[in-house]
Amino acid sequence: KQEVTQIPAALSVPEGENLVLNCSFTDSAIYNLQWFRQDPGKGLTSLLLIQSSQREQTSGRLNASLDKSSGRSTLYIAASQPGDSATYLCAVNNAGNMLTFGGGTRLMVKP
Amino acid sequence: EAGVAQSPRYKIIEKRQSVAFWCNPISGHATLYWYQQILGQGPKLLIQFQNNGVVDDSQLPKDRFSAERLKGVDSTLKIQPAKLEDSAVYLCASSLGLTGNYNEQFFGPGTRLTVL
Repeated sequence: KQEVTQIPAALSVPEGENLVLNCSFTDSAIYNLQWFRQDPGKGLTSLLLIQSSQREQTSGRLNASLDKSSGRSTLYIAASQPGDSATYLCAVNNAGNMLTFGGGTRLMVKP
Repeated sequence: EAGVAQSPRYKIIEKRQSVAFWCNPISGHATLYWYQQILGQGPKLLIQFQNNGVVDDSQLPKDRFSAERLKGVDSTLKIQPAKLEDSAVYLCASSLGLTGNYNEQFFGPGTRLTVL
């Protein structure tokens, strides 16, 4: 059974810092991995999707990497802003297209 | 392009009552998913449909939960009777398909259920 863990569970940083969110998974037989953002009381917004054959994806200030063999992914956020404050969720897509989510990292960026 | 639509956005019921949620996926998306997100946790998949057929419902509590997607488009999720532990956000998602580049999932805003 796939298990996904996100570390840290919560993070508070001053504006402008670069930061790294970590995601680990136990079963490396994945189709892809998605990073999502969730604002309070809202649904999930897809940030980046990395296919199993890829090593990384970039969108603006976000960069996600994937090391399938070691069961790890990182989300790098450059020059953080208060508007980046949200919960970030990592989800792994296994055979059968089942998404297994981690518990999330709650990020607070202080002005 | 319109996103995934869900209604209602909020629902408060008493335990043992029934409740139903509705989802309209992105146009052309063959695959539809229902997730349950308990406060402070990541979403958990309940059921997934491919067109109007069930692909996986292994984590759906079938004694009280049911879901259908009769015409391969809209879907409803029902809870009967509700328990206190069903309080959660119910998220609907859709994707073009199941494999390759077509399985990126797009989520709706969710329905927040409170069971008193």
